[in-house]
Amino acid sequence: QKEVEQNSGPLSVPEGAIASLNCTYSDRGSQSFFWYRQYSGKSPELIMSIYSNGDKEDGRFTAQLNKASQYVSLLIRDSQPSDSATYLCAVNYPETSGSRLTFGEGTQLTVNP
Amino acid sequence: DAGITQSPRYKITETGRQVTLMCHQTWSHSYMFWYRQDLGHGLRLIYYSAAADITDKGEVPDGYVVSRSKTENFPLTLESATRSQTSVYFCASSETGIWDQPQHFGDGTRLSIL
Repeated sequence: QKEVEQNSGPLSVPEGAIASLNCTYSDRGSQSFFWYRQYSGKSPELIMSIYSNGDKEDGRFTAQLNKASQYVSLLIRDSQPSDSATYLCAVNYPETSGSRLTFGEGTQLTVNP
Repeated sequence: DAGITQSPRYKITETGRQVTLMCHQTWSHSYMFWYRQDLGHGLRLIYYSAAADITDKGEVPDGYVVSRSKTENFPLTLESATRSQTSVYFCASSETGIWDQPQHFGDGTRLSIL
């Protein structure tokens, strides 16, 4: 059973702070990692993808990957109330066919004005 | 750019009824997926399809049937609905089956079975 674990929430941060969302996965062979944002009552929306060890920055978002530790994280700088959502970590397991993803249960983030 | 559309958005039905959820994509993506999302379980894969006429089971396929006669359509049928199938259903697609391809989601169908 391939597993993706996310830090339990809910996570609450003040506006302007850094929000840190964490995810661990069980298979060392995983090659691609994605972060999705899901607003309440809406569908998941892709916000970041990362494939190599290190950091990847896109605006206020930074994804970090450490394959040795089987750990991927998402940092949101200067958090805004509009960032309040559930964040889903998704991992591709290469031995499964196609671009199948395994999702974590998500971490609910609330940014307080 | 219509992307991926699901219908209906909301559906209420009774146990034992057959219900079909529709999914249509305009991107000509090869892969399509059906998920259900429930509190405490996250997104779970029901079925997926690599191309027209090629489908395979996911994590929770029991009670569901899929078909894919055309690349753009991937309907999901509950042959005899049960209360445990009350959920939010998402259809997704990805351009290819290569490992680095993300999936893009439709708006979902909220299904209630009474």
